[in-house]
Amino acid sequence: AQSVTQLGSHVSVSEGALVLLRCNYSSSVPPYLFWYVQYPNQGLQLLLKYTSAATLVKGINGFEAEFKKSETSFHLTKPSAHMSDAAEYFCAVRAMNTGFQKLVFGTGTRLLVSP
Amino acid sequence: DTGVSQNPRHKITKRGQNVTFRCDPISEHNRLYWYRQTLGQGPEFLTYFQNEAQLEKSRLLSDRFSAERPKGSFSTLEIQRTEQGDSAMYLCASSGSGYGYTFGSGTRLTVV
Repeated sequence: AQSVTQLGSHVSVSEGALVLLRCNYSSSVPPYLFWYVQYPNQGLQLLLKYTSAATLVKGINGFEAEFKKSETSFHLTKPSAHMSDAAEYFCAVRAMNTGFQKLVFGTGTRLLVSP
Repeated sequence: DTGVSQNPRHKITKRGQNVTFRCDPISEHNRLYWYRQTLGQGPEFLTYFQNEAQLEKSRLLSDRFSAERPKGSFSTLEIQRTEQGDSAMYLCASSGSGYGYTFGSGTRLTVV
């Protein structure tokens, strides 16, 4: 079974500051890991994904995440926050190399960006 | 193709009524998923189709819920005898041979 835990339901940063959103996963088999962003009343947009090719993954809008197997973590970072980054962020896990296709999501972290 | 399309975007219904939502996936994607998202929560898996076959259903999908994907193209999700607890955002996603899903904008259901 797979699960993810997102630490902090809300994270507040100032514009220009470092963004760090935390995600820890649990998986009985090697995982695929994802970060999605959701703006109000919208669906989810894929930011980046880890599929075992490289542990440091770069995504859209300047975001990146590093897969650390020893820490079972996949934290999302961005060097400098923009006002437009304010949204809900979801970490998700899927089992690798199995017949199961479903993504399991965390409860989300709302990023607030102040001027 | 412009992505995953869901209709309607919003639905308000009275308790006890039936509702049906439609999802049109990206045309070349053979896998289709339905998720439900309540306020303050992450999306929860409901069901999964590969082509026209429904391969997995969550225990969240009570007997009042039914999903179909005739001919492996669009999909419908029907809720019979709606309850206030059914109020949520219903998200559809599709995927092909890649690893990630493409989500639609969702249908927000409000049961009054």
